[in-house]
Amino acid sequence: AQSVTQPDIHITVSEGASLELRCNYSYGATPYLFWYVQSPGQGLQLLLKYFSGDTLVQGIKGFEAEFKRSQSSFNLRKPSVHWSDAAEYFCAVLSTDSWGKLQFGAGTQVVVTP
Amino acid sequence: DTGVSQDPRHKITKRGQNVTFRCDPISEHNRLYWYRQTLGQGPEFLTYFQNEAQLEKSRLLSDRFSAERPKGSFSTLEIQRTEQGDSAMYLCASSPGTALEGANVLTFGAGSRLTVL
Repeated sequence: AQSVTQPDIHITVSEGASLELRCNYSYGATPYLFWYVQSPGQGLQLLLKYFSGDTLVQGIKGFEAEFKRSQSSFNLRKPSVHWSDAAEYFCAVLSTDSWGKLQFGAGTQVVVTP
Repeated sequence: DTGVSQDPRHKITKRGQNVTFRCDPISEHNRLYWYRQTLGQGPEFLTYFQNEAQLEKSRLLSDRFSAERPKGSFSTLEIQRTEQGDSAMYLCASSPGTALEGANVLTFGAGSRLTVL
């Protein structure tokens, strides 16, 4: 069955430290991959996406993600987190045989400490 | 362009009542999506429209749920005879339906939170 897994439910990181959020997917072919961020009471904001080409993609707010086909992973990174990065982060996958049906992981809650 | 607008932002209702949510997509977007998000979970796909045509519905969309997009612009999601299990955030999103890659980049609204007592 197709699935998206975010292994870490909750991550605590110090301000200024680096952050890496994991995402693994299980699909028959390489799907389209996304990372969204959701602040409390808000909708989802797109951070970055991968469709094809360069496997290291840059997004907004200083985030980047790397697609690794061999590991079926699309991990999100930021070199130095800011207090405003505290939010919930969702990895999402769009299968090319089901246009419109974005499948989300369960999310990773990021807490930033001073 | 004010983005994707949803109304109301919050709705509290009693079990058995009907509720309706409205979504106004980005004006030039011809695809519109509804998702449901429960606490601690990622959003789950409910349905989507290409213009006024409803192209796919999830099995999550029971007979009590109906979505419409009559003129290919705004959309409504109605839940009849609400149950406590319907309590969730209902998210609307839109995307362009033209260029292949852009068609699959969804812009989400802030959501409509439903609480069923």
